Amino acid sequence: DAGVIQSPRHEVTEMGQEVTLRCKPISGHDYLFWYRQTMMRGLELLIYFNNNVPIDDSGMPEDRFSAKMPNASFSTLKIQPSEPRDSAVYFCASSLVSANGYTFGSGTRLTVV
Amino acid sequence: DAKTTQPTSMDCAEGRAANLPCNHSTISGNEYVYWYRQIHSQGPQYIIHGLKNNETNEMASLIITEDRKSSTLILPHATLRDTAVYYCIVRVARTGANNLFFGTGTRLTVIP
Repeated sequence: DAGVIQSPRHEVTEMGQEVTLRCKPISGHDYLFWYRQTMMRGLELLIYFNNNVPIDDSGMPEDRFSAKMPNASFSTLKIQPSEPRDSAVYFCASSLVSANGYTFGSGTRLTVV
Repeated sequence: DAKTTQPTSMDCAEGRAANLPCNHSTISGNEYVYWYRQIHSQGPQYIIHGLKNNETNEMASLIITEDRKSSTLILPHATLRDTAVYYCIVRVARTGANNLFFGTGTRLTVIP
């Protein structure tokens, strides 16, 4: 089991550019979560999916952020246009309904200059 | 979900037991106590969880007081690799509300 796979590991982009972060959850997991971590705000839940359907996106900061899960093995988090305040580490996690806990990926460190 | 209170930081000597406390005085009857940790530059890692009974696994032990208002995570023989931020989280484990909210945690430093 390769775990939750995120790509890229690091992304540096200029303000105003579109950024797409990718996540492959563990096979068979029903839930997928996107978190953001900054020094100021810690770990924040942005959105989560159940069986590919978005359940709660109340943590998405604004309309510039969007997330999709076209199938059970892939999800994207898109920021368009990106701003310097979006700089953070973005984590994806997945879990089974009856799982003991979530499995997190290694994260994508996003820097917007 | 109930709120938790943890010390900001703790030190522990290598090889000794690390005891990390957590207060959750407003916990409800159907809420579990979960512990995660985050090693520098990595994603959070699940450690253990429990409802009312003490729990033990290969990583740690979880001791929950009888009134469930506090708990302690015990790392029996701390190593340098256990240096991390430890998060105590209280949440309902039910289908359809499967989300996890992290506080500020306790930064544990294991000293050689």
